[in-house]
Amino acid sequence: QQQVKQSPQSLIVQKGGISIINCAYENTAFDYFPWYQQFPGKGPALLIAIRPDVSEKKEGRFTISFNKSAKQFSLHIMDSQPGDSATYFCAASISSNYQLIWGAGTKLIIKP
Amino acid sequence: EPEVTQTPSHQVTQMGQEVILRCVPISNHLYFYWYRQILGQKVEFLVSFYNNEISEKSEIFDDQFSVERPDGSNFTLKIRSTKLEDSAMYFCASSSDRGEKLFFGSGTQLSVL
Repeated sequence: QQQVKQSPQSLIVQKGGISIINCAYENTAFDYFPWYQQFPGKGPALLIAIRPDVSEKKEGRFTISFNKSAKQFSLHIMDSQPGDSATYFCAASISSNYQLIWGAGTKLIIKP
Repeated sequence: EPEVTQTPSHQVTQMGQEVILRCVPISNHLYFYWYRQILGQKVEFLVSFYNNEISEKSEIFDDQFSVERPDGSNFTLKIRSTKLEDSAMYFCASSSDRGEKLFFGSGTQLSVL
């Protein structure tokens, strides 16, 4: 029940296209859902996060869509650029706890 | 931009040896964390630290592990007697909010031979 399932494992998108990465969870107590971006040799960096009181959050080209009833959330990258090529992780946590539960990661490649 | 720094970037040790992984969190952050990622597996929570004590730990964080904030700036993870299965990338993180908006270091790749 603590798991966060992420798909796809890898994704190739043409420059200018939309990249979509999906995550699903079981624990309805989760109330914080961040996405992290990781470049090779670097630690994960927070990209965007959402709480379940909203269904969508947008920051620049990055949007989180959240479906509470389906227990799913997704990251959309609009106008994908080669510089977006990285590994993306979804995660979830409960506010009263400290630990993030991570998805397995998606390796995104944007082809020029 | 402030960042979390970790040293060393790579550590090779023999099984049974003690290792200390070091981290300098962002200076005004109050919450500190260690996560690890075994090659090809998910990122896993190890421990969180607040107000000079452990606030939460996972099942992985057994008696072989300990954390310390010895001087108000460094945050260390000690593994007393390393095992082969401790080989992983260890990430330190810090935040100003509990459990949210974590800033991660670049990691220490620990190899236990």
